[in-house]
Amino acid sequence: DQQVKQNSPSLSVQEGRISILNCDYTNSMFDYFLWYKKYPAEGPTFLISISSIKDKNEDGRFTVFLNKSAKHLSLHIVPSQPGDSAVYFCASHTGGFKTIFGAGTRLFVKA
Amino acid sequence: EAQVTQNPRYLITVTGKKLTVTCSQNMNHEYMSWYRQDPGLGLRQIYYSMNVEVTDKGDVPEGYKVSRKEKRNFPLILESPSPNQTSLYFCASRVTGDNQPQHFGDGTRLSIL
Repeated sequence: DQQVKQNSPSLSVQEGRISILNCDYTNSMFDYFLWYKKYPAEGPTFLISISSIKDKNEDGRFTVFLNKSAKHLSLHIVPSQPGDSAVYFCASHTGGFKTIFGAGTRLFVKA
Repeated sequence: EAQVTQNPRYLITVTGKKLTVTCSQNMNHEYMSWYRQDPGLGLRQIYYSMNVEVTDKGDVPEGYKVSRKEKRNFPLILESPSPNQTSLYFCASRVTGDNQPQHFGDGTRLSIL
């Protein structure tokens, strides 16, 4: 049973519009969440994170929102750019040592 | 340049032939980890190490071994590879702490025939 779920395998967005990637989790003890971006033939790279004591974290065009009651987080990219086309993984650090990833969402940003 | 280096990048081998995938990091990170990526499943953690001589199982450790004799190196060993271990493997490292992101290598694609 996947504890971190990304239910949308892919998302297509027009350049300049907002991209919203979603992630759900099942374990209320998860206390830290991260988003990674992955291009083909490369390893994932860290994008942005959020602690469970916050509900929002912003870094330039990227904002992550956390809704603890719904066990849901989302990544907003505004404005979307063609270079943002990649696979995005949601992940949670559990107990400080284990990491659980979602299945990923492939984002296509059309020029 | 800060990096995590995996070797080999690609390997095709046969069932039962022992193989080792090496991982080295130059950032003096305490924590290192191995993942496998499979379609529809994302990245699943195989083993992790919190420091030298300290390792523990992740979610899918069966069929794998690891060792951490030096801080910079964390090899993944497949003693008797099987076709279900055909996958894309990533090594990662980070400093200790919940809020610390991981740095990943570029991956090793293993095909076990």
